[in-house]
Amino acid sequence: EDQVTQSPEALRLQEGESSSLNCSYTVSGLRGLFWYRQDPGKGPEFLFTLYSAGEEKEKERLKATLTKKESFLHITAPKPEDSATYLCAVQSNNAGNMLTFGGGTRLMVKP
Amino acid sequence: DAGVTQSPTHLIKTRGQQVTLRCSPKSGHDTVSWYQQALGQGPQFIFQYYEEEERQRGNFPDRFSGHQFPNYSSELNVNALLLGDSALYLCASSFGAGNEKLFFGSGTQLSVL
Repeated sequence: EDQVTQSPEALRLQEGESSSLNCSYTVSGLRGLFWYRQDPGKGPEFLFTLYSAGEEKEKERLKATLTKKESFLHITAPKPEDSATYLCAVQSNNAGNMLTFGGGTRLMVKP
Repeated sequence: DAGVTQSPTHLIKTRGQQVTLRCSPKSGHDTVSWYQQALGQGPQFIFQYYEEEERQRGNFPDRFSGHQFPNYSSELNVNALLLGDSALYLCASSFGAGNEKLFFGSGTQLSVL
């Protein structure tokens, strides 16, 4: 069974204070690892897909990296508008098209 | 271009009742997936519909059923509601059943009293 664990559960940063969110996963053959952002009262919004170890993707202040057992979402010089819950999900060879999500990291960036 | 739309936004039911949630996919998308998100947790896959058929199902009882219409819109039905069914129900659409880039709606918040 695919498993995804995210840490920390919650993170408070000062504006400009860079940090990283962790996503550890266990799958039988990774098809893809996904990062989503979810604002309160909204559905998840797609950020990145990573397919193989060593791959990196960037978007504005966010950078996602992937190893064989975990992924990191690095946030550089965050702003208050980056405050949200960040969700990690995996799609595996044995689970068809479904995504298995972690519990998320709630990020709060204070001005 | 309208994204994924879900209705209603909020719903209150009592135990034992039945509920129907609705979803219209993003324009150009033909596949709809449903997820349940309990408070403080990540979404859990319920099932996926493609070409009007249930293509894949997660670990949910058969009280949860669905339907996809020829215009690609979808319904999620839950019978014999339990308190534990209280959650945010998310609909996600994509083009093609194997496309992993999902676009989510804002969800229906279901409260079971």
